Amino acid sequence: AQSVTQLGSHVSVSEGALVLLRCNYSSSVPPYLFWYVQYPNQGLQLLLKYTSAATLVKGINGFEAEFKKSETSFHLTKPSAHMRDAAEYFCAVSVNKFYFGSGTKLNVKP
Amino acid sequence: DTEVTQTPKHLVMGMTNKKSLKCEQHMGHRAMYWYKQKAKKPPELMFVYSYEKLSINESVPSRFSPECPNSSLLNLHLHALQPEDSALYLCASSQTTSGGFNTGELFFGEGSRLTVL
Repeated sequence: AQSVTQLGSHVSVSEGALVLLRCNYSSSVPPYLFWYVQYPNQGLQLLLKYTSAATLVKGINGFEAEFKKSETSFHLTKPSAHMRDAAEYFCAVSVNKFYFGSGTKLNVKP
Repeated sequence: DTEVTQTPKHLVMGMTNKKSLKCEQHMGHRAMYWYKQKAKKPPELMFVYSYEKLSINESVPSRFSPECPNSSLLNLHLHALQPEDSALYLCASSQTTSGGFNTGELFFGEGSRLTVL
């Protein structure tokens, strides 16, 4: 069975600080992995995706994620948070079907 | 700018009304999806269409009726809804594999915010 676990439903950082959002997956086959961002009252926007090429994936808005098979993780990072990064972030795995994590709300303090 | 367009953005309806949500994409994708999203929750899959045929129905009540008139359009017909059906309804599309399932990313619309009184 496939599943996605996002540790921490809420993460709060100061502007300029490192952002780290955690995602662990379970999959019986090599997965495709994604991070989406959702701003209030909007749809989901793709930040980045892992499709078995490079393990370090760079996305939009300065975000990146590293696929670690040994840890079954795909954590999302950004070196310096901006106020505009405040949003809900969803990790997802696709193995024939999309499975979303429960989401992490990122708050950025001035 | 999203390449998946949903209308209307907001809809308020009574429990006896009949209304429809519409979704359109022009990316040549052959898979289209309806998701329901409640506040502070991830999207929940409702229906999947692959090559204009319904391939997945996640045990959705019959008061929700999907329709795929062609490869670019997806409708969700609503009838006799309940207040608990109030949610953000998201349409998405993707390319399909030969098996009919998605391994690439989903492209989402902005959603239709539905309120059932």
